Parts: sequence; structure tokens; C-alpha cells
Amino acid sequence: GEDVEQSLFLSVREGDSSVINCTYTDSSSTYLYWYKQEPGAGLQLLTYIFSNMDMKQDQRLTVLLNKKDKHLSLRIADTQTGDSAIYFCAESMGSWGKLQFGAGTQVVVTP
Amino acid sequence: EADIYQTPRYLVIGTGKKITLECSQTMGHDKMYWYQQDPGMELHLIHYSYGVNSTEKGDLSSESTVSRIRTEHFPLTLESARPSHTSQYLCASTYRRGESLEAFFGQGTRLTVV
Repeated sequence: GEDVEQSLFLSVREGDSSVINCTYTDSSSTYLYWYKQEPGAGLQLLTYIFSNMDMKQDQRLTVLLNKKDKHLSLRIADTQTGDSAIYFCAESMGSWGKLQFGAGTQVVVTP
Repeated sequence: EADIYQTPRYLVIGTGKKITLECSQTMGHDKMYWYQQDPGMELHLIHYSYGVNSTEKGDLSSESTVSRIRTEHFPLTLESARPSHTSQYLCASTYRRGESLEAFFGQGTRLTVV
């Protein structure tokens, strides 16, 4: 079964906030990541959070981690059309750093 | 800018042909990965490597094979391509920066087997 789960689609109006959710199952995950994939491109690291943190903010991006519920979210403030992409949640498992990805959330920003 | 390259970007090939997807990185990273991305976008790990002469199968069973003779090069080979191999293949490398793990991805190879 899936170790990392995400909702598949999110539609948001330009200027609104987007919230993308992710759940994971491996309690030994030390780092959780958000990657962005634009059409026809590879994945780009957006931000990450260490498992002993609750929140991390980086400009328009806010990551919230609920370790008890194994729930991770990414909030994008003032969403722009350039934010339209697929967003992947990922966790790193083990000391050698294999990344396990979720299925990705397609975010569509409408004018 | 990440220095990881995949060639070709797009490939259309007939059933039964042997193909090799190239992946190279100039960052000296030990760990490299191949992911298969379904048309619906889900990423599946099919191969990874800890370093030279190290290769392991990933979570998704794949008929492809990989080799790691040099640190910078991690090619993926399909001995006999089939339509079921049609997918996007993404190569990545990772390194530890302090306490964090950062991954760099290539642009991907979109393979179509007809």
C-alpha cells in the first residue's frame, strides 16, 4: 500500500491560499519534503521540515507537521498562476536517504 | 541550477527494441535513483544506487536494468521494449546538506513504445 498519500487535485483562485495535504505512515521518517513539478520538467525541491518541528515558513510557503497524526500540509499564500503544477510530498526513510514520494497533487490556479 | 542530465528527452520506439536511457550528474553525488512516473503522475522508485558498483531494485518491479560503473553515470536499459513500458522516467541524485537530504532531478525521458 501507499506509504505517502495525497489528494490528487486542487483548484484555487488566483490570490487565494492553497493548502495541500499529505499523510505518511513511517514514523521513523526524519525529514518530510515538498517538491514541485511543472509540465515537462523534473522535480524541484520547494521546502522541507525536520520531524521534530511543527511549522516552517519560507516566504509564501508554510509547512505544518502533525507528527502524532502523521499529517503534513503545505500552504501557499497569495497563489499565483505560476504556482500551477504538481506538488509531491516525500519522506526520507533510513540513514541512506531513499526518498518515498506520494502520488502528487495537481494544483490548478484559475484567474 | 542542478547539474543532472537525461537523454533523450523524448523517445518513440518499436516493440522489441533495446534502449538505454542516459543519466549523468556532475555534482559527485553517490546516491542516484530512477523513478517511473505514470501518466497520472504517480512516482515509483524502480532502481537506486549507493555508489559505484552498487545497484538495488526499488519498490516497483521493473524489467529494466541499471549499472553504475562511474559515479556520474547511471544508465537504465530495457532489453526488449514493450508498450507497457510507455512512461516517463526520471533520474535523480541526492546528497546530505547538513541534516537535510536534497534531491536533484533530471528533466525526464518520456518513452513511448509502439
